[in-house]
Amino acid sequence: EAGVVQSPRYKIIEKKQPVAFWCNPISGHNTLYWYLQNLGQGPELLIRYENEEAVDDSQLPKDRFSAERLKGVDSTLKIQPAELGDSAVYLCASSLDSIAGVYNEQFFGPGTRLTVL
Amino acid sequence: QKEVEQNSGPLSVPEGAIASLNCTYSDRVSQSFFWYRQYSGKSPELIMSIYSNGDKEDGRFTAQLNKASQYVSLLIRDSQPSDSATYLCAVRGSQGNLIFGKGTKLSVKP
Repeated sequence: EAGVVQSPRYKIIEKKQPVAFWCNPISGHNTLYWYLQNLGQGPELLIRYENEEAVDDSQLPKDRFSAERLKGVDSTLKIQPAELGDSAVYLCASSLDSIAGVYNEQFFGPGTRLTVL
Repeated sequence: QKEVEQNSGPLSVPEGAIASLNCTYSDRVSQSFFWYRQYSGKSPELIMSIYSNGDKEDGRFTAQLNKASQYVSLLIRDSQPSDSATYLCAVRGSQGNLIFGKGTKLSVKP
């Protein structure tokens, strides 16, 4: 079974440029998450989707970040414009359960390492 | 703000020893608890989940949960150099989202 797929794996951009990350979850997983991980820290949730609905985007900086999951499968996270402080690893995860499920085991993709110069 | 606390380490153990990793959490209504392993430059990998008080064993790994003390731990028996990684504790809080600790870096010396 294929895992969570993310692209690109690495991205280097200059500040004020736009950038987009793509994620394809594990087949059959309805819930998709975007996390941000800074060096030496645990992942922090940016946005959670159940099917195509964004059910928790409270931690997403909406002035520059946006996300979509149009058909309830793959998803795109965008930053426009990027700032120096956005340099981090952006992780996508998926789970079979909805957030209401007890188990809610989440599986991560390889991540995209973003460097903003 | 609900919190998950872990000792950042590094925790150094000799090969073959038992490594003990600890985690405390602040949200009393948390229901589900997870341990992830993260190798340097890689993404987190789920290794254990536990939902009830007591012990849960899977191969060389044992997760222990004590909800009264708000404490969860991970024991790694017969530690191997390949176990050297950062171990992240994650707790599913009352809002449903996973809250991660900062991780404990484990080093297993040959």
